[in-house]
Amino acid sequence: GAGVSQSPSNKVTEKGKDVELRCDPISGHTALYWYRQRLGQGLEFLIYFQGNSAPDKSGLPSDRFSAERTGESVSTLTIQRTQQEDSAVYLCASRGIPDTQYFGPGTRLTVL
Amino acid sequence: QKEVEQNSGPLSVPEGAIASLNCTYSDRGSQSFFWYRQYSGKSPELIMSIYSNGDKEDGRFTAQLNKASQYVSLLIRDSQPSDSATYLCAVKPGANSKLTFGKGITLSVRP
Repeated sequence: GAGVSQSPSNKVTEKGKDVELRCDPISGHTALYWYRQRLGQGLEFLIYFQGNSAPDKSGLPSDRFSAERTGESVSTLTIQRTQQEDSAVYLCASRGIPDTQYFGPGTRLTVL
Repeated sequence: QKEVEQNSGPLSVPEGAIASLNCTYSDRGSQSFFWYRQYSGKSPELIMSIYSNGDKEDGRFTAQLNKASQYVSLLIRDSQPSDSATYLCAVKPGANSKLTFGKGITLSVRP
């Protein structure tokens, strides 16, 4: 079966531009997470979707970051007016039953 | 207060030795515990999950859980250079709670 997929795999953008990152979770997985990982650093939690509950947005670093998910399907993470400090790998993960979480390959974002 | 703590590392062991990776957590009600491995430039991959006190073995890997001490560990027997990676401990407090990760510890296995 297919795993978690993310697109694009790499994104280079100019400072001030908006970017949209996409995550396709494993079919049937109710939970979906977005993380950010800067070079050589640990995972930084951004946002968590669980079924139809209100998302946990407590990790979003600023109001330039937002994410959406419709039902238990695709999620998009949008970063507006990108800054150089937004450069990182953005990882998506989904979790189903049994209680295991799988990561996608990530999107490497470079802001020039 | 950090919710999941791991030794800062790095940890270096010779090939064939036992590598012991430790993790403590703050939420006493936590129910699910996981170890992920992340190779440089790759995504984390799940290697072990444990839910009950005691040991759980899978090949060269053994996860150990002690809920009273709020402690979970990962032992890697007969360490190989291919085990060199960052190991992330993750804890999930409840059924629909989000998974919380430690910062990870980098293991280097010397040939």
